[in-house]
Amino acid sequence: KNEVEQSPQNLTAQEGEFITINCSYSVGISALHWLQQHPGGGIVSLFMLSSGKKKHGRLIATINIQEKHSSLHITASHPRDSAVYICAVENYGGSQGNLIFGKGTKLSVKP
Amino acid sequence: IAGITQAPTSQILAAGRRMTLRCTQDMRHNAMYWYRQDLGLGLRLIHYSNTAGTTGKGEVPDGYSVSRANTDDFPLTLASAVPSQTSVYFCASSDRGWGEQFFGPGTRLTVL
Repeated sequence: KNEVEQSPQNLTAQEGEFITINCSYSVGISALHWLQQHPGGGIVSLFMLSSGKKKHGRLIATINIQEKHSSLHITASHPRDSAVYICAVENYGGSQGNLIFGKGTKLSVKP
Repeated sequence: IAGITQAPTSQILAAGRRMTLRCTQDMRHNAMYWYRQDLGLGLRLIHYSNTAGTTGKGEVPDGYSVSRANTDDFPLTLASAVPSQTSVYFCASSDRGWGEQFFGPGTRLTVL
């Protein structure tokens, strides 16, 4: 079983829809990261969080440490949000900076 | 330069050849990382460095070596490339070991 599981693997949405991507993990963590990988391949860090909720523009990330679960929400989705979204966790007590990655959720937003 | 750069952008390499992938950052970040990304497997850590002069092994270190002679540069060397090392390689850096990571644009390597 993978230590970091994301769902869904693929997601197609219409422009304007509210989107949720889920991430569950099985290890103790010190932090969780959400990354965005554009169709061209570049990877950008969206959030790093260890509790509660963070918001950047139309993106919201939440984490529930007790349930070992995080969600990434996109409000008023737009075709430019089309990308692969990757969840990664820092394993508590593991090698410093050693991230364990999920396999990503491929999002396609249609106009 | 601003941020983190990698070279080359892509490379086709014959099996058995030696290859060094270059990574340079100008953010004065202490920590640097090398990942490989393979279809269906996601990103996996090859080697990391918490600070200049130190390195550590990640999840998939076999066949790769790194050095960290200074803060800015973190080259990844394949001593004798094999086809299973065909992948997209990403270098990343962070200000501290457990911080937000900044990724380079990637190097697409094909070993024939």
